[in-house]
Amino acid sequence: NAGVTQTPKFRVLKTGQSMTLLCAQDMNHEYMYWYRQDPGMGLRLIHYSVGEGTTAKGEVPDGYNVSRLKKQNFLLGLESAAPSQTSVYFCASSPRLGKGETQYFGPGTRLLVL
Amino acid sequence: AQSVTQLDSHVSVSEGTPVLLRCNYSSSYSPSLFWYVQHPNKGLQLLLKYTSAATLVKGINGFEAEFKKSETSFHLTKPSAHMSDAAEYFCVVSDSTAGRRALTFGSGTRLQVQP
Repeated sequence: NAGVTQTPKFRVLKTGQSMTLLCAQDMNHEYMYWYRQDPGMGLRLIHYSVGEGTTAKGEVPDGYNVSRLKKQNFLLGLESAAPSQTSVYFCASSPRLGKGETQYFGPGTRLLVL
Repeated sequence: AQSVTQLDSHVSVSEGTPVLLRCNYSSSYSPSLFWYVQHPNKGLQLLLKYTSAATLVKGINGFEAEFKKSETSFHLTKPSAHMSDAAEYFCVVSDSTAGRRALTFGSGTRLQVQP
């Protein structure tokens, strides 16, 4: 049982390039989330999904797109990367939706945009 | 709106001494509160959570936290620090008014443990 995995672990992009971050979970969770972590700011929600085929905007969605074509996968896309998107990206999942639900996190993807 | 304030960005203790990481929250409704730990270059791991049951919550690795509604606090404590406790700790709040059903993170407290 791998839990939540993220691909790649590290990536360097040039401004204007595009890329897709992949998140996969093997816990059969309905809900999945993408966060970004910046120094001194904790984690901020980018987008989330409440089930296969659904997505919704979080706190900082601009410049990102997401897709949830399969229940176990949640993709985060950057169409035209900017230096402000240099960050560590975390994916998470949870079995249910509710204020007391634990979210399970992946190991993160470090992205550097030059 | 919900928010979290971690009062110390950095805490340094000696091995074997008590740990106190402070967290204050703001929430319009009865919140759930969490502490997550992040070891270097790792993902976040749940330490403990409060969901309106007992106000003193025990977590993994000897950590515990007490929910104090009157003080709007949820401080994390451990009686005796271990070298392996060195990490970043995040206090997190979630309440039913968060339409996006997500967590609001504090900015983190880096715990350093000196030998």
